[in-house]
Amino acid sequence: GAVVSQHPSRVICKSGTSVKIECRSLDFQATTMFWYRQFPKQSLMLMATSNEGSKATYEQGVEKDKFLINHASLTLSTLTVTSAHPEDSSFYICSARTQSTILGGDEQFFGPGTRLTVL
Amino acid sequence: AQKVTQAQTEISVVEKEDVTLDCVYETRDTTYYLFWYKQPPSGELVFLIRRNSFDEQNEISGRYSWNFQKSTSSFNFTITASQVVDSAVYFCALSEPGTASKLTFGTGTRLQVTL
Repeated sequence: GAVVSQHPSRVICKSGTSVKIECRSLDFQATTMFWYRQFPKQSLMLMATSNEGSKATYEQGVEKDKFLINHASLTLSTLTVTSAHPEDSSFYICSARTQSTILGGDEQFFGPGTRLTVL
Repeated sequence: AQKVTQAQTEISVVEKEDVTLDCVYETRDTTYYLFWYKQPPSGELVFLIRRNSFDEQNEISGRYSWNFQKSTSSFNFTITASQVVDSAVYFCALSEPGTASKLTFGTGTRLQVTL
């Protein structure tokens, strides 16, 4: 099966610092990766769509200068939370899309998530 | 605009009871996909099923079954003979082809199965 990893799984940082979260597709190439945010006891909300080699597309209300997304290769996308504040504390989940017929056609696989706590 | 409604916020059942989780969706497209995911306390999303809008056949997988009714825009999920390990938050989601498969999630239903 397809595996998507995220690193780190948990991070605690001080207010004002920047945090980088990595999302990797381990055994397949992902032309598109998605970043979701989930506040405690709430649903997942799409933040942005990341395509390899091009700029990310952000959903309405998501600050692109605060949440920097880089999709440098077909297996890696990074989300950097710049100048993090306590209200950015959340569970960040990435997913990777593949159109490989071996993996069942057009499928999306989720990473295990990164829990960010900003003090 | 797409919308997914899971009206049941929390459900509590005793082990071995059957339980149905409701999902109602809204979309303007005729082609779309519906999903169910399980999110245990660890947080990782577990894929359960994907169904396209042209396939209204009900599906059964072990103790899990899904009822897709296009006429009422519903995609309900039933767990038969629930077990403690079924305790989790369950999300229904909707995607539309042509939008790079981004998902719109419902608000989730927290299922608590007790002994």
